Amino acid sequence: DAGITQSPRYKITETGRQVTLMCHQTWSHSYMFWYRQDLGHGLRLIYYSAAADITDKGEVPDGYVVSRSKTENFPLTLESATRSQTSVYFCASSLLRGGFDTGELFFGEGSRLTVL
Amino acid sequence: EDKVVQSPLSLVVHEGDTVTLNCSYEVTNFRSLLWYKQEKKAPTFLFMLTSSGIEKKSGRLSSILDKKELFSILNITATQTGDSAVYLCALVEYGNKLVFGAGTILRVKS
Repeated sequence: DAGITQSPRYKITETGRQVTLMCHQTWSHSYMFWYRQDLGHGLRLIYYSAAADITDKGEVPDGYVVSRSKTENFPLTLESATRSQTSVYFCASSLLRGGFDTGELFFGEGSRLTVL
Repeated sequence: EDKVVQSPLSLVVHEGDTVTLNCSYEVTNFRSLLWYKQEKKAPTFLFMLTSSGIEKKSGRLSSILDKKELFSILNITATQTGDSAVYLCALVEYGNKLVFGAGTILRVKS
């Protein structure tokens, strides 16, 4: 199916463990993003990527690592999970159509991560 | 310090009421402003605003941007229970990066 998919949708882990959240999109969108959503903070940008092999930090990058070896995949890794990383994580992608940039994001359904 | 501030934080209205949600921002140089509706899952796109003073309309929802006063509003007329959601506004900065506000939680009672 076309679209943007995240996995796993739900994950419970323990402090100190490594966790990877996967994101896959089938539109060949150039831009991909990872956001976390917490009550009172809205959506905060963790990392984003303008193209394969190009990534950049967002607002709250500490404790996270990303990679983008292929245009369609943008995994997010928590190298040593902490309780403060309990959150809902959204992956998104954006189309850049020549000189017209809509800026519109297409979101995945979210991954709810609980760190005990 | 927040670049995008939404108000009110939450709102409870009765069906049929009209609501106005506010989004103010500090950035003067940006590509566009977006509004999203988020129910239980991922945010869904409502409007993109790029020009000041031009109203965008979709059914009972409308939105306008004021680049001079640095705010946008989202109006919902004749509210229905299905309008209950979190409404998010976001600035599209150059580089295609979005900065979101914290959202307004709207609850419409029947």
